[in-house]
Amino acid sequence: DQQVKQNSPSLSVQEGRISILNCDYTNSMFDYFLWYKKYPAEGPTFLISISSIKDKNEDGRFTVFLNKSAKHLSLHIVPSQPGDSAVYFCAASRWAGGTSYGKLTFGQGTILTVHP
Amino acid sequence: DGGITQSPKYLFRKEGQNVTLSCEQNLNHDAMYWYRQDPGQGLRLIYYSQIVNDFQKGDIAEGYSVSREKKESFPLTVTSAQKNPTAFYLCASSRNRGAGADEQYFGPGTRLTVT
Repeated sequence: DQQVKQNSPSLSVQEGRISILNCDYTNSMFDYFLWYKKYPAEGPTFLISISSIKDKNEDGRFTVFLNKSAKHLSLHIVPSQPGDSAVYFCAASRWAGGTSYGKLTFGQGTILTVHP
Repeated sequence: DGGITQSPKYLFRKEGQNVTLSCEQNLNHDAMYWYRQDPGQGLRLIYYSQIVNDFQKGDIAEGYSVSREKKESFPLTVTSAQKNPTAFYLCASSRNRGAGADEQYFGPGTRLTVT
């Protein structure tokens, strides 16, 4: 049962334009969402996160939007740069206390390619 | 500077052998995690530990074992019982602030190939 889904395996964007990566989730108990960026043969690096009490969080060129009613989040990168080319994973977590604390459920990832 | 180290980066083993992957962190994080990544798939949680001397099974724990004797170290053993051990293994750690989740920091990964 895939609780976090990234339905687009890949996305191709021109340099300078906006990249929009999408993520859907099914578990309404998730209350914290994160985006990670991963280069081949490396570990993922944290990009940006959002708590369920917010609907938007911005950090430089990266903005994450959360639509709780639709169980959907998206990552916007503006402007896109060739160095942004990587695999992007969304992840979700629920704080349940006790032994469930801190577990992340990841989507399958979206390969972003930014062309010069 | 602080970080997570995994060694070795590439590991080759014959089928039927147990192999232990190393993970060390000097971030003073309480929680540590092991994931595996397969082509076209997201990261799947194998085991996690919130504090020393305690660990929990993740979603795909069968064929794996861990220990957490020290805060800094969380080694993963891939046993001969794991049916498809060839994968990219990632270790991560996070603070345990006791209120809400926190981002996890990942090591560089170990690519295990079993033939």
